[in-house]
Amino acid sequence: GQNIDQPTEMTATEGAIVQINCTYQTSGFNGLFWYQQHAGEAPTFLSYNVLDGLEEKGRFSSFLSRSKGYSYLLLKELQMKDSASYLCAVRDSNYQLIWGAGTKLIIKP
Amino acid sequence: DAMVIQNPRYQVTQFGKPVTLSCSQTLNHNVMYWYQQKSSQAPKLLFHYYDKDFNNEADTPDNFQSRRPNTSFCFLDIRSPGLGDAAMYLCATSRDQGDSNQPQHFGDGTRLSIL
Repeated sequence: GQNIDQPTEMTATEGAIVQINCTYQTSGFNGLFWYQQHAGEAPTFLSYNVLDGLEEKGRFSSFLSRSKGYSYLLLKELQMKDSASYLCAVRDSNYQLIWGAGTKLIIKP
Repeated sequence: DAMVIQNPRYQVTQFGKPVTLSCSQTLNHNVMYWYQQKSSQAPKLLFHYYDKDFNNEADTPDNFQSRRPNTSFCFLDIRSPGLGDAAMYLCATSRDQGDSNQPQHFGDGTRLSIL
């Protein structure tokens, strides 16, 4: 079966750095997406990786290793507004998105 | 701004009473998706339209139906809602299914409650 694993919850301090990991087992791979979802709201797109390596976008970076079936989202200079769930999703060989359950990130002052 | 709009944001219906959720888009995207998301769970794809072609997920209950009368609009019909159908329903669009780095764009969702 297809599977995306992420930690359920993480806590970090305002101004710090946090890394949210995602491992996946899917039938085929056509890219990996990270989305941010605030409570009660829709997911919003953060980043996309299809080749190995690091993609940097402001305070957020995303890393991919296809051979390891592994990605992480790195958030720097954490702000209170970064408190949200972060969802990892992989596009499989049928171009369908397979979603993780999300990692709830709690930021403390 | 081009966007995905879902109405209503909150919907309350009675057990067994049919309900329709709506989604419209101004992005002119070919693909429209309906997801069900329960608290702290991954979004679950119910079905999607590629243009007029309807694609039902194998485990989507028959209780859920969808219509796409034109490019801009897509509806989710729940024929006889049960208590287990209480969830957030998310509509999303994408320009094409195989577009390399094009993400899915989501509406704000409709939170459905069943009395």
